[in-house]
Amino acid sequence: QKEVEQNSGPLSVPEGAIASLNCTYSDRGSQSFFWYRQYSGKSPELIMSIYSNGDKEDGRFTAQLNKASQYVSLLIRDSQPSDSATYLCAVDTNTGNQFYFGTGTSLTVIP
Amino acid sequence: DTGVSQDPRHKITKRGQNVTFRCDPISEHNRLYWYRQTLGQGPEFLTYFQNEAQLEKSRLLSDRFSAERPKGSFSTLEIQRTEQGDSAMYLCASSLGQASPQAFFGQGTRLTVV
Repeated sequence: QKEVEQNSGPLSVPEGAIASLNCTYSDRGSQSFFWYRQYSGKSPELIMSIYSNGDKEDGRFTAQLNKASQYVSLLIRDSQPSDSATYLCAVDTNTGNQFYFGTGTSLTVIP
Repeated sequence: DTGVSQDPRHKITKRGQNVTFRCDPISEHNRLYWYRQTLGQGPEFLTYFQNEAQLEKSRLLSDRFSAERPKGSFSTLEIQRTEQGDSAMYLCASSLGQASPQAFFGQGTRLTVV
């Protein structure tokens, strides 16, 4: 079983819609959770971090964490074509020595 | 303050040659990570430093790979006797540690082995 799993997509949404990205993880002791955005040919860029159950909002982005279900999600409101990228979920393992990444979900926002 | 810096950005080498990459983390970041990423995959953990100490190394990492962080600042990743399967993007990231665990990535080094 992979440590972090994401639907690979691709996910397509129309401009202005809400994009919903999901991630599950296997290590129940994980403490820190991150979403990265990666444009084609570029390195990952941190966009959200979340450490406790519930929702965390930052502009058009909302991260949601449910540790009991081992589930973390990212909502992008009012999606823009510039949001088209691959979104990577990362989990800081209980040991704190490395981040495990999912394979990423490819998002396309259609103008 | 500059972000994480990696050098070179691109490297083309012949199979069997040795290559070395450099990473300069964000100043005062004591944790430094190396990852490898191939097309369509998420970053794959290679190794991790806490200051100058290499605390963890992936079991997937061949003996041809070695990394150092001699003074707890910059780090180098060396690949000996490169193989075509080593072609990938090599990513370096740094963080402040458990108090602020967010990791920030450099621009990566794209390695092509021909």
